[in-house]
Amino acid sequence: GQNIDQPTEMTATEGAIVQINCTYQTSGFNGLFWYQQHAGEAPTFLSYNVLDGLEEKGRFSSFLSRSKGYSYLLLKELQMKDSASYLCAVRDGSGGYQKVTFGIGTKLQVIP
Amino acid sequence: DVKVTQSSRYLVKRTGEKVFLECVQDMDHENMFWYRQDPGLGLRLIYFSYDVKMKEKGDIPEGYSVSREKKERFSLILESASTNQTSMYLCASSPVGPGNTIYFGEGSWLTVV
Repeated sequence: GQNIDQPTEMTATEGAIVQINCTYQTSGFNGLFWYQQHAGEAPTFLSYNVLDGLEEKGRFSSFLSRSKGYSYLLLKELQMKDSASYLCAVRDGSGGYQKVTFGIGTKLQVIP
Repeated sequence: DVKVTQSSRYLVKRTGEKVFLECVQDMDHENMFWYRQDPGLGLRLIYFSYDVKMKEKGDIPEGYSVSREKKERFSLILESASTNQTSMYLCASSPVGPGNTIYFGEGSWLTVV
């Protein structure tokens, strides 16, 4: 089975940097995703990590340490529109399937 | 653009009714998923399918069944709806292979009264 933990809520100031952490336990790790979800909408893809290290994509970066079962999403130059929930998801490839399990999400509020 | 289409955006059903939620994807993806999302519980996997006529239970399959007769279509069935199945249901699809992202439909808001 899988266990994914992330903080439930965070608040940050417009223009600042925020880091959202995610820890996981899984038997057959095969990649980690970050998704953004605005209220009432479907999740949209932000990033994917399968190897250790940092992946940068514009204002968003994602880091992975497989040995520690740890990832973070870094958002720079925060904008009001970044207020959303951020979901960490882990793909488990054991058994030949590609089951993807999501954490409960971190609700980020950006304040002026 | 990848398109995952869920047939109904909002539904209200009575307790005991049989409910069908339909999902169609247009990108020839092998994998398809059904999740439900509830406040404080996040997205929970109900069932997934990795090929036509193949299905695997997710974390909360009780009270649900699925059907995948064609590659592009994955249906979620509530045989006898109950009030605790009131939720938002999200269908998703992805191709096979590492790094391939999951694409979500718009979601179906189901209320069981």
